Amino acid sequence: AQTVTQSQPEMSVQEAETVTLSCTYDTSESDYYLFWYKQPPSRQMILVIRQEAYKQQNATENRFSVNFQKAAKSFSLKISDSQLGDAAMYFCAYRSGDSNYQLIWGAGTKLIIKP
Amino acid sequence: DTAVSQTPKYLVTQMGNDKSIKCEQNLGHDTMYWYKQDSKKFLKIMFSYNNKELIINETVPNRFSPKSPDKAHLNLHINSLELGDSAVYFCASSQARAYTDNEQFFGPGTRLTVL
Repeated sequence: AQTVTQSQPEMSVQEAETVTLSCTYDTSESDYYLFWYKQPPSRQMILVIRQEAYKQQNATENRFSVNFQKAAKSFSLKISDSQLGDAAMYFCAYRSGDSNYQLIWGAGTKLIIKP
Repeated sequence: DTAVSQTPKYLVTQMGNDKSIKCEQNLGHDTMYWYKQDSKKFLKIMFSYNNKELIINETVPNRFSPKSPDKAHLNLHINSLELGDSAVYFCASSQARAYTDNEQFFGPGTRLTVL
């Protein structure tokens, strides 16, 4: 069975600096999708970025980018120029390419932004 | 317009009561989900319906019963509430197709407190 591991329960970063959140996963599949979701204090879950496993190019969305290492089964999220509004729980999630659409979730990383 | 809505957002009730949480999505999606998020923020899938048919039914007490009257609605009924049922319950939806990422859109969550 697939698993997703986020080894950092909490991270903190100074405003305007860069932070990287780690995520590793375990799978025997070759076709899958990876996601980072953000949950701010409002508790609304928001998709930050996604990556298709067959794409070698790392996904980028404005200040958010990923470092996808398929062989290492690693999917880290880099947040550049951190802003106070980035403070949230960040969840990494995995979805099989042909599954019943279930997401496998990591335990989350709480990101604190220091002003 | 709200994409995925849940009612109520907050629910405080006594042990032993029966309660329902309603979810509606106006995205035209064919798959809907219920998640439970505990106090440690861990997200656990409970149920998933695809075109009103149950496709994921994780190990949850049978006091929890989902009902999907149509593909835009997925309600969660909980009988004989227990203290351990206190959590935030999220509804989500996606357009489920194999070999696409099927981004899940989340509702705002319902914070259930059982006294």
